[in-house]
Amino acid sequence: QKEVEQNSGPLSVPEGAIASLNCTYSDRGSQSFFWYRQYSGKSPELIMSIYSNGDKEDGRFTAQLNKASQYVSLLIRDSQPSDSATYLCAVQIQGAQKLVFGQGTRLTINP
Amino acid sequence: GAVVSQHPSWVICKSGTSVKIECRSLDFQATTMFWYRQFPKQSLMLMATSNEGSKATYEQGVEKDKFLINHASLTLSTLTVTSAHPEDSSFYICSYDGGAPTDTQYFGPGTRLTVL
Repeated sequence: QKEVEQNSGPLSVPEGAIASLNCTYSDRGSQSFFWYRQYSGKSPELIMSIYSNGDKEDGRFTAQLNKASQYVSLLIRDSQPSDSATYLCAVQIQGAQKLVFGQGTRLTINP
Repeated sequence: GAVVSQHPSWVICKSGTSVKIECRSLDFQATTMFWYRQFPKQSLMLMATSNEGSKATYEQGVEKDKFLINHASLTLSTLTVTSAHPEDSSFYICSYDGGAPTDTQYFGPGTRLTVL
């Protein structure tokens, strides 16, 4: 089992709809969770970080964390074509500074 | 968020030459930083973790004698790809650890290396 798993997609969502991206992780002791967005040919940029169970909202983005289920998700409301990118889930494993990345989900927003 | 720069943004070199990539944090000092490699359509692969003033810790399968990391100061780290070969062609990205309490990583813009 991979440490961090994401559906590689592609995930296609119509403009204006909600895009839902999911991620599961194997290390139950993990404490810090991040979502990064990566456009083609560019480096990742931080979208959201979440550390405690529940929802965290920032503009059109909502991160959801369920440690009992070892599951973290990212919702994008009112999806825009500019949201088309690969979204990387990253988990900081307990006792380590490094992040473990999922393989990324490629999201396409259709006008 | 923090600002991280990388130089050069792209480089083309002949097989057998060495290439140095610089990574600088422009607005903060960081003890720990990371070097990643990303092949097309794949996720980030951590190559090594380095702490200022000490030797880098390399991930399994990464040759430390081929990928030389020098963490010279709290704002500058370099990655040297020695005797580069076409299979080393990749997108190399550095990141700085923003530190406690969030431990957020801030990424540089990346360097695209093409070895002919």
